[in-house]
Amino acid sequence: SYELTQPLSVSVALGQTASITCGRNNIGSKNVHWYQQKPGQAPVLVIYRDSNRPSGIPERFSGSNSGNTATLTISRAQAGDEADYYCQVWDSSTDVFGGGTKLTVL
Amino acid sequence: EEQLVESGGGLVKPGGSLRLSCAASGFTFNNYTMNWVRQAPGKGLEWVSSITDSGTFTYYADSVKGRSTISRDNAKNSLYLQMSSLRAADTAVYYCATVPDFWSGYMSTWGQGTLVTVSS
Repeated sequence: SYELTQPLSVSVALGQTASITCGRNNIGSKNVHWYQQKPGQAPVLVIYRDSNRPSGIPERFSGSNSGNTATLTISRAQAGDEADYYCQVWDSSTDVFGGGTKLTVL
Repeated sequence: EEQLVESGGGLVKPGGSLRLSCAASGFTFNNYTMNWVRQAPGKGLEWVSSITDSGTFTYYADSVKGRSTISRDNAKNSLYLQMSSLRAADTAVYYCATVPDFWSGYMSTWGQGTLVTVSS
């Protein structure tokens, strides 16, 4: 089965840059999407097709995808960015989510 | 504003059945593929099922295949998930979501979810 590997947790100092990875063999050949989920809330799309930001998502959120790793980068991290982040790929008529990464802003 | 509202969740006994609904508003419903995604308590997101804009094609996760049926009524702007032979492992919040581009599969709008609890 298609699996996506994310770190369980990432910490970042306030105002610094956080990077959350999503790994799978040759993931660079797929479209990767990223979601933010805060406690008790529904997920929110923050990056689609590797590096595109939906309307209303701050420019501080960016994405890249190459080789075996896709990366979500959050610049100038704010307290409000503390959340769980999930990567997702649609492949062979199946949707797959990564296990999720808890981002802590220190 | 695009809005999705799920309903139909509740407490059901193991082996029972349930039909979830998702009411859409604020957008042209029949232009979108639609998904169901669930999240067990304290766990990550799990895709459950997809249905194309016209309802012609449906897709299921192995975990629910054979026990669930996704359907839609474009005249009523509604999405459904019929679930049967429910197990404790099906306990989760169930979200519906829009998929603007079937081939890339990203989910742009999500409902707030409906909780399904399978317990005796």
